[in-house]
Amino acid sequence: DTEVTQTPKHLVMGMTNKKSLKCEQHMGHRAMYWYKQKAKKPPELMFVYSYEKLSINESVPSRFSPECPNSSLLNLHLHALQPEDSALYLCASSQAGQGFSYEQYFGPGTRLTVT
Amino acid sequence: EDQVTQSPEALRLQEGESSSLNCSYTVSGLRGLFWYRQDPGKGPEFLFTLYSAGEEKEKERLKATLTKKESFLHITAPKPEDSATYLCAVRVISSGSARQLTFGSGTQLTVLP
Repeated sequence: DTEVTQTPKHLVMGMTNKKSLKCEQHMGHRAMYWYKQKAKKPPELMFVYSYEKLSINESVPSRFSPECPNSSLLNLHLHALQPEDSALYLCASSQAGQGFSYEQYFGPGTRLTVT
Repeated sequence: EDQVTQSPEALRLQEGESSSLNCSYTVSGLRGLFWYRQDPGKGPEFLFTLYSAGEEKEKERLKATLTKKESFLHITAPKPEDSATYLCAVRVISSGSARQLTFGSGTQLTVLP
């Protein structure tokens, strides 16, 4: 099973709201990722967790706050977002390890609209 | 700077008309080249990983090949359900550490019935 699940599928939030995106995988992967994707653009890396620890933050604004409660779950907490943050947010997972290149498996995404 | 360029940006084919998509890269220390398929509004679906020049992989109507400078995704006798955006991505080693994926901008494929 190569499934990564994400909830919710769609989210509309105001600029003053606080919301969270959730991601889950049961493939035993120890690396998990958050990407942001705008229309007709490739995915853009936001955060990487490796063995439940944040290993990469691609200079993402602090209004996005990631959390990895355990090896299967990944959250993205959202607060005080701007309309330009509207996008498809993708979660992915892969095996971990610096010396190897493992394919990443993506979830279906959460379509976020900030009003 | 690592660069990944996909061409063409868009491709329209008639059903059954075979063609190839190109992914050229200028990177040092390639650790893997990945092909994904993405349907509108959905997450990318993993297709293939290629590690070294000369390697080929096949899945149904798709065949991916790799040289030292580029990869091709060959589509044989495509069907309308093959319509999607095809993304390639590379992972490189830099200073002994594997860096994260660098994506190309994708090729939007439309197969007409």
